[in-house]
Amino acid sequence: TQLLEQSPQFLSIQEGENLTVYCNSSSVFSSLQWYRQEPGEGPVLLVTVVTGGEVKKLKRLTFQFGDARKDSSLHITAAQPGDTGLYLCAGEGTSGSRLTFGEGTQLTVNP
Amino acid sequence: DTAVSQTPKYLVTQMGNDKSIKCEQNLGHDTMYWYKQDSKKFLKIMFSYNNKELIINETVPNRFSPKSPDKAHLNLHINSLELGDSAVYFCASSRTGVNSPLHFGNGTRLTVT
Repeated sequence: TQLLEQSPQFLSIQEGENLTVYCNSSSVFSSLQWYRQEPGEGPVLLVTVVTGGEVKKLKRLTFQFGDARKDSSLHITAAQPGDTGLYLCAGEGTSGSRLTFGEGTQLTVNP
Repeated sequence: DTAVSQTPKYLVTQMGNDKSIKCEQNLGHDTMYWYKQDSKKFLKIMFSYNNKELIINETVPNRFSPKSPDKAHLNLHINSLELGDSAVYFCASSRTGVNSPLHFGNGTRLTVT
C-alpha cells in the first residue's frame, strides 16, 4: 500500500499570510492530484501534476511535484478566507493503480 | 446539472437496520467509486466499478454490497448496520485511464445510533 503523509494536519492563519502544505511519500507516483473539500461537499480537483519537477499555478496557488515524483507541495500566497477548506493530495501509482489519498490539511483563514 | 448526485444527503438509523445509498453520474464516465470518509476526514476507497464490473473491492465487511445496474449508477447497500459504520460516504466517477481526476458527489452522512 502506498502511503501519503500530509503536513501540517491543521493550519489556522490570518488573511494575507502565505502558507505551504506538504505531501510526502516513500513511493513513486505517476501523478499527483490536489483536491479541496468544503464543508458538506465532496472534494473538487484543483490540479494534477504529472512530470517530476513540474510547477503549476492556479491564481494564488502554486503546486509543485518533486523531482523524484515522491512528494508535492501546495503554496498559497496572500491567503483569503475563501481559501478555507480541507486540502487533500492523492497519488496515482506507477502501474495506474487506484488513487491513494493523504490524510488532509484543514486550513482556516481568519479575516 | 449536477454531475454526480447521491441520495440521501443525511441518513440516521438504528443499529441492525439495512439501508441503501444511491448514486448517479451524468458525465458519461465508465468508472464509479464508493469512498468512506471517517471523522478524521481520511478518505478510503471501498469499491470501484468499471462498466458495471467490480474492479476494486477493498477490505470491507461483506455487509456492504455495491450494485451497478448500468455504468451511470452505483448504489451501496449496507446490512445490519453497526455504530462504526457512521461516516460520510462519497460516490465518485472518472474516465477510465491514467491521470483521470475523480468527480465526487456531495456525500451521504450516515449516523448509526
